[in-house]
Amino acid sequence: EVQLVESGGGLVQPGRSMKLSCAASGFTFSDYYMAWVRQAPKKGLEWVASISYEGSSTYYGDSVKGRFTISRDNAKSTLYLQMNSLRSEDTATYYCARVGYDYVMDAWGQGASVTVSS
Amino acid sequence: EIVLTQSPTTMAASPGEKVTLTCRASSSVSYMHWYQQKSGASPKLWIYDTSNRASGVPNRFSGSGSGTSYSLTISSMETEDAATYYCQQWSSNPPTFGGGTKLELK
Repeated sequence: EVQLVESGGGLVQPGRSMKLSCAASGFTFSDYYMAWVRQAPKKGLEWVASISYEGSSTYYGDSVKGRFTISRDNAKSTLYLQMNSLRSEDTATYYCARVGYDYVMDAWGQGASVTVSS
Repeated sequence: EIVLTQSPTTMAASPGEKVTLTCRASSSVSYMHWYQQKSGASPKLWIYDTSNRASGVPNRFSGSGSGTSYSLTISSMETEDAATYYCQQWSSNPPTFGGGTKLELK
């Protein structure tokens, strides 16, 4: 069974940093692109970042470019999102997602809640 | 960036009613994916590559479309179908989602 389990969320002050992790199981992690998608409270889905199989290529949404870093450790089957210079507008539930054929997000984690507030 | 506009934003349907949700793209895309999200839960892949049902999705759901106009249809509304549905494209970067259609039970 494919499983994605996020961790590392919580309350953080504006301007500080936080790192999310996503532990994958049930599939060969290195065979898939991976992505982070977020959802602000009572809002829709927003793609945040994605990463290639070996991590050599990374892509970011304009709202997080230069502040967030996506990375992966294939030996540990784990995806990461390092978030720096956090703003109140980064408050959201962050989902990790597996990216399948035709760039479909075919598996999602349960989400990690991040609240940026003083 | 390709903007996806979903309509309606909210709708209510009675059990047994046929439901059609629409997603329009600001530029032509090669395919559309759809996700279902129930309150408090993660999104689930529902329809991929425009017309393919994901594993476990009832066959009352279907998807169609091309170019800039796509739709998700429920042939006969059931209680469990009440949810928010999002369309998504990744034909071009960045990947984008529609704003969602909240489908309620009447």
